[in-house]
Amino acid sequence: QQQVKQSPQSLIVQKGGIPIINCAYENTAFDYFPWYQQFPGKGPALLIAIRPDVSEKKEGRFTISFNKSAKQFSLHIMDSQPGDSATYFCAGGSAGGSEKLVFGKGTKLTVNP
Amino acid sequence: KAGVTQTPRYLIKTRGQQVTLSCSPISGHRSVSWYQQTPGQGLQFLFEYFSETQRNKGNFPGRFSGRQFSNSRSEMNVSTLELGDSALYLCASAVGVNSPLHFGNGTRLTVT
Repeated sequence: QQQVKQSPQSLIVQKGGIPIINCAYENTAFDYFPWYQQFPGKGPALLIAIRPDVSEKKEGRFTISFNKSAKQFSLHIMDSQPGDSATYFCAGGSAGGSEKLVFGKGTKLTVNP
Repeated sequence: KAGVTQTPRYLIKTRGQQVTLSCSPISGHRSVSWYQQTPGQGLQFLFEYFSETQRNKGNFPGRFSGRQFSNSRSEMNVSTLELGDSALYLCASAVGVNSPLHFGNGTRLTVT
């Protein structure tokens, strides 16, 4: 009930491509879905987050698409750059407990020049 | 504004020893959470403190404990270390309930 399944494990794209990372959750009590970006030797940094009352949220080149009925959400990175090469984590959490996030296992993204 | 500060950055301990990790949250943040990150299990929630009270606890053995001080700084302690405790321990702070988490760069613990 607590799992968040993330795919793919790794992804390689060319500069300018649009990598897509998918996540599926089981806990219907989740109502907060953030994405974190982590570079080697650093902690995860919050990238963008969405709540289930919207189906899409865009911030710069990053877009979250959310499908409540399917219990799925995804991250799209437009015009990807080599500097976007990092590990991306999706997560789910519930109201009053955003401090207790359940994370996916991560996707290692490589953007080739 | 300074970010979340964790000390030390690296730690090497021997099986059976105990260790204390420290976390200073972002100024004004009253909630502190701890996560364990390993290649196999990913990011797993340990516990969360708000105003010196533990609000949530993850599924870890009692060897893992924590506390929060009146200035919101937090410490976590692991006793009787096992090889499997080798991991990156991440602290995250938030202004309060329903606020986004901001992570520090972690303490890399190696148990030999």
